[in-house]
Amino acid sequence: EAEVAQSPRYKITEKSQAVAFWCDPISGHATLYWYRQILGQGPELLVQFQDESVVDDSQLPKDRFSAERLKGVDSTLKIQPAELGDSAMYLCASSLGQGPTDTQYFGPGTRLTVL
Amino acid sequence: GENVEQHPSTLSVQEGDSAVIKCTYSDSASNYFPWYKQELGKRPQLIIDIRSNVGEKKDQRIAVTLNKTAKHFSLHITETQPEDSAVYFCAASNTNAGKSTFGDGTTLTVKP
Repeated sequence: EAEVAQSPRYKITEKSQAVAFWCDPISGHATLYWYRQILGQGPELLVQFQDESVVDDSQLPKDRFSAERLKGVDSTLKIQPAELGDSAMYLCASSLGQGPTDTQYFGPGTRLTVL
Repeated sequence: GENVEQHPSTLSVQEGDSAVIKCTYSDSASNYFPWYKQELGKRPQLIIDIRSNVGEKKDQRIAVTLNKTAKHFSLHITETQPEDSAVYFCAASNTNAGKSTFGDGTTLTVKP
């Protein structure tokens, strides 16, 4: 069964450094989501792509976060500079269609620790 | 924007008992409500969902009920088993707006 892939699985960095996360959605899935999940809380949407276009990035801290999906397939989420409060699990998800009723399939996540 | 509150934050039941998790939402325009299960160290997975045009949906031992007037929906798990132990998240979304808002999760422990 096809799954969403993410790398790295774990990342430890010092504050003010740059970090990047990669996501490869299920083949053929047009919609890609990046979520941040702080320990003890539910996932919070950071950015949603429909193919290569950003559909929603209203919760993305644009002064330090950036995301791209250049060819409408895999995606990269970058943080520069990282801050202590960025420590969290970063989840990528994909869905076949673009509506919220389309089942989202989540990747294993990247756990970021900022020291 | 939408606000979703989920209760309880932790729930411990004996194997074979039922478990109920409740979520309330604030945006009356929300019309789609999925539930996800996240086992320790694993990715969240959709287990059941309900749309606003129905009041209840069942799938074997799990069911979800929706009260649009009160703006709350609940997950019911019957005949719980140890493998049901996980964190359960509810979410609410407006299919016109596109974004899902998640609750903070309920850690369910089923004791054998």
